[in-house]
Amino acid sequence: SQQGEEDPQALSIQEGENATMNCSYKTSINNLQWYRQNSGRGLVHLILIRSNEREKHSGRLRVTLDTSKKSSSLLITASRAADTASYFCATARDDKIIFGKGTRLHILP
Amino acid sequence: GAVVSQHPSRVICKSGTSVKIECRSLDFQATTMFWYRQFPKKSLMLMATSNEGSKATYEQGVEKDKFLINHASLTLSTLTVTSAHPEDSSFYICSARPEGTRAYTQYFGPGTRLTVL
Repeated sequence: SQQGEEDPQALSIQEGENATMNCSYKTSINNLQWYRQNSGRGLVHLILIRSNEREKHSGRLRVTLDTSKKSSSLLITASRAADTASYFCATARDDKIIFGKGTRLHILP
Repeated sequence: GAVVSQHPSRVICKSGTSVKIECRSLDFQATTMFWYRQFPKKSLMLMATSNEGSKATYEQGVEKDKFLINHASLTLSTLTVTSAHPEDSSFYICSARPEGTRAYTQYFGPGTRLTVL
């Protein structure tokens, strides 16, 4: 079953602009992770934010977590063509990782 | 870093045949491995949890007789799609959790694309 719901489902922006993707989830969590997947490839782990954290940075990535609203956002600043990919949030529950539906990000040259 | 491999990366088979996909943790031991299925432009759906030396636990709606999982060692889990049909065509991804780590620590394989003709 899907735990997370990302929006938008698809996003196209110009290179250099910032991209923001959101994720909502239903149950309580210990942490939330974001992954990237290039077309037809495996997953790349981007960042993990714990339930007691509100914001986390990693390079051009900024993740926020609002446990009261059960939502998270992923911001990619100064986007590049190589950022074109699908992005998934994921939560751990009962010894499993459950993925959201994902956002397909397309960076336009 | 922890590396997980899958073999084959791509397979095409005829309807009615069985296909085996291997998932290996190359530089760590994994008591637990997971199998996911992904349709085009869709998310990853967890199919089953594979524990070394015991039977796999399947998610609701996943046919255990259709998708046979064997986790015979701490570094290898296999998924066999039996009597494959075109609707089984999908991208199958495994992940492995190192011994002694928390549930959210999983390393993902590169995936196997199965096409059933």
